[in-house]
Amino acid sequence: AQKITQTQPGMFVQEKEAVTLDCTYDTSDPSYGLFWYKQPSSGEMIFLIYQGSYDQQNATEGRYSLNFQKARKSANLVISASQLGDSAMYFCAMREKTGNQFYFGTGTSLTVIP
Amino acid sequence: GAVVSQHPSWVICKSGTSVKIECRSLDFQATTMFWYRQFPKQSLMLMATSNEGSKATYEQGVEKDKFLINHASLTLSTLTVTSAHPEDSSFYICSASWASGTRGLYEQYFGPGTRLTVT
Repeated sequence: AQKITQTQPGMFVQEKEAVTLDCTYDTSDPSYGLFWYKQPSSGEMIFLIYQGSYDQQNATEGRYSLNFQKARKSANLVISASQLGDSAMYFCAMREKTGNQFYFGTGTSLTVIP
Repeated sequence: GAVVSQHPSWVICKSGTSVKIECRSLDFQATTMFWYRQFPKQSLMLMATSNEGSKATYEQGVEKDKFLINHASLTLSTLTVTSAHPEDSSFYICSASWASGTRGLYEQYFGPGTRLTVT
């Protein structure tokens, strides 16, 4: 089974609108961390936001927020007030406390339309 | 914040030659470093995990004799692509992790990547 599933290969959003990028995960480890990264065309992986499995509140970082629904094993990224510079690939990732590996989703290509 | 550098950022080499890529953690000591490979429009594929002073653990399907990984110190890991062929052309990204990071053992910091083209 896939550890991280991103079902949206491509998304479009109007500038200044909000957009939600979906991510579901699969783990039996009660301790884990969830991450979202942005990868522009330059290739650099840019950290956006982190959610720990025991965090009670949804994480927020500026225009980014993570809609964490633990029972559904869902960790969707919400970008508010989209900007042209948000056009990039977005990857959801997870790391379990047991084991050393990070698991990445297949990514979502976001295009912000002026 | 934690900074990871990679060198070179891009390299073109001829088929049959070897290429070394360096990954350095500049302001922290990385207990673990990861090497990823990424093809265009695809996700990151973990190649190997290396802990300082020990042999790297390679993922299934990754040839350890072709992709030599050395993690000689807490701030430096190298990936050597030996006898490179055109199919080795890819984007190689390293990341570094340490247990005392902001998010404990969960965090990893990425280098900017190295684009390898083998002609």
